[in-house]
Amino acid sequence: GQNIDQPTEMTATEGAIVQINCTYQTSGFNGLFWYQQHAGEAPTFLSYNVLDGLEEKGRFSSFLSRSKGYSYLLLKELQMKDSASYLCAVRKTGGSYIPTFGRGTSLIVHP
Amino acid sequence: KAGVTQTPRYLIKTRGQQVTLSCSPISGHRSVSWYQQTPGQGLQFLFEYFSETQRNKGNFPGRFSGRQFSNSRSEMNVSTLELGDSALYLCASSTGQGASEQYFGPGTRLTVT
Repeated sequence: GQNIDQPTEMTATEGAIVQINCTYQTSGFNGLFWYQQHAGEAPTFLSYNVLDGLEEKGRFSSFLSRSKGYSYLLLKELQMKDSASYLCAVRKTGGSYIPTFGRGTSLIVHP
Repeated sequence: KAGVTQTPRYLIKTRGQQVTLSCSPISGHRSVSWYQQTPGQGLQFLFEYFSETQRNKGNFPGRFSGRQFSNSRSEMNVSTLELGDSALYLCASSTGQGASEQYFGPGTRLTVT
């Protein structure tokens, strides 16, 4: 099976930087996703990492270390609208392309 | 391009009833996946359909079933509803199996009383 751990809740200040960690254990890794989900809305895709390293997309960056079973999502220049749940999801090899989701990290950005 | 649409958005049912939820994927997307989201369990995979065939199934009882039509629209059915089935049911579409990006619909909020 897959074990995905991420903190339940984090708080940060507007304009700051926050790093949301995700650790996973899986037999056969085939990609890691990050999604953002505002309360009452559908998850929206943020990033996909399959190779080690940092992928940058505007204010958001995602890092992956396959050997450590570790990823993080880095949010810079935080805005109030970044208050949301951030979901880490891992896809494994072996026929199924369906990712398994962590329980999400609720990020609260305050002024 | 229109996004993924789900109907209905909200539904209230009583225990023992059955319910059918509908999902229309993004035009051109042939893979549709269904998820159940609850505060306690997070986002859990129900099943995936591709080209009218169920390709993958999550760990849910047989009361949960689904199908996909030739136009890629999908429906899921839950029979003999239980209180624990109260959840947000999300549908996601992608171009095909193995796609790196899934697009989620707004979900159907099901409340079982």
